[in-house]
Amino acid sequence: DTAVSQTPKYLVTQMGNDKSIKCEQNLGHDTMYWYKQDSKKFLKIMFSYNNKELIINETVPNRFSPKSPDKAHLNLHINSLELGDSAVYFCASSPGPASTEAFFGQGTRLTVV
Amino acid sequence: DAKTTQPNSMESNEEEPVHLPCNHSTISGTDYIHWYRQLPSQGPEYVIHGLTSNVNNRMASLAIAEDRKSSTLILHRATLRDAAVYYCILRGITGGGNKLTFGTGTQLKVEL
Repeated sequence: DTAVSQTPKYLVTQMGNDKSIKCEQNLGHDTMYWYKQDSKKFLKIMFSYNNKELIINETVPNRFSPKSPDKAHLNLHINSLELGDSAVYFCASSPGPASTEAFFGQGTRLTVV
Repeated sequence: DAKTTQPNSMESNEEEPVHLPCNHSTISGTDYIHWYRQLPSQGPEYVIHGLTSNVNNRMASLAIAEDRKSSTLILHRATLRDAAVYYCILRGITGGGNKLTFGTGTQLKVEL
């Protein structure tokens, strides 16, 4: 059983399109995150939700909108995709917002052409 | 969160111990030291964390300097599966959420 699963694993799309990445965790955790890893391999947090409430919102363009329908799911919707959005996006979860350990998914490689 | 400094890369032979250093001279009294690793084409994976005392778990040991300005992750017997990028991260306990700030990490290469 995959603890944190993301779909799709690969996503290739054209500039200007709108796309979504889905994330689900079966660990019973309250807190979920989206991280972005750019071409230079830097990993940066984008958002965090705790029990469906947004608790961390880093400086991310408004084109990125997370949605948490329940505490086991955190989806990422991206509008008007740009070339610079190409990256690997990781979903993660932790038992709570102050937990010491976060569990990461396998990542979604987004390529914008 | 305070900054960490790690070597870009290190090499080890299989079955030998590996000591991965991390400098964090601006660490504050409430910052925990976390280590994560990222295997090729995988998401980051938690390894270990500590505050002041040395810590051991099934994956590794964490040795923390007395002044807390540096720490060392110790893999007791490196295997080929330990080849990964190892990240040393500081996290304050008052931070909002598990906001891990990843640096460039150390690429560990393990050879037969």
